[in-house]
Amino acid sequence: NAGVTQTPKFQVLKTGQSMTLQCAQDMNHNSMYWYRQDPGMGLRLIYYSASEGTTDKGEVPNGYNVSRLNKREFSLRLESAAPSQTSVYFCASRDRGNNEQFFGPGTRLTVL
Amino acid sequence: QQQVKQSPQSLIVQKGGISIINCAYENTAFDYFPWYQQFPGKGPALLIAIRPDVSEKKEGRFTISFNKSAKQFSLHIMDSQPGDSATYFCAATYTLGRLYFGRGTQLTVWP
Repeated sequence: NAGVTQTPKFQVLKTGQSMTLQCAQDMNHNSMYWYRQDPGMGLRLIYYSASEGTTDKGEVPNGYNVSRLNKREFSLRLESAAPSQTSVYFCASRDRGNNEQFFGPGTRLTVL
Repeated sequence: QQQVKQSPQSLIVQKGGISIINCAYENTAFDYFPWYQQFPGKGPALLIAIRPDVSEKKEGRFTISFNKSAKQFSLHIMDSQPGDSATYFCAATYTLGRLYFGRGTQLTVWP
C-alpha cells in the first residue's frame, strides 16, 4: 500500500495562475482532508470530505475549491494564486470508525 | 479562535533528559486527544492518543498525562534521544470528527 500520495511535491506559481493539487489514498478510507501548514501556525484545515460526494469548509477555505472525484481522490484547486497561499499543503484520510488520520508527504507551494 | 493551545513553541533538551510539551483546550465536548510527530520534509504521523476517561497513557518512552478538570494534557518523552528531534502537534476532536491542532512544538535533542 502506498497510503496517501500527493502530486506534485513542489510547485512555483506566479500570482494569478491556477493549479490543482492532487491527492489519492489506497486504504479505502471514507474521509479525506486538506490542510495547510505555515511556520508557527500549526495545521489548519482548508476543506474536508466526510464521505464520497460531500465536501465541507474548514477554518481557512477562502481562495480554494475542492473536488471529491471518487472515494480514492480528493483534489484542491487554487483558481487565482496569491502570495498568501505560499505554504506546505497536506492531504490526509481517515477510515470510518477510526479517529486516526493518515497524512501524505505534502506539496510545497510557492507563489511569487 | 484557537481551540487547542500548545506550548512551548520550541524546546531544546539534552540527550537522556525529559521533554515535556503542554496543551490546553476549552471545548469539553472533545473526547479524543492525539499527538502527532512530524519529521522535516514528511507528513505528520500519529504518535500516541488518549481519551478523557483515563489520566495517563504510556507507550514506550512516550506518556500522555491528562487532567480533565483543568482541561490540559501533556506529552512526556523520557530518556529523550536525538532521533526524537521533530515537531510535535497536539490535537483534539469529537469522536470521528475533524481534528483541531495546536501550533506545534519544535523539539531538538542535543547528543
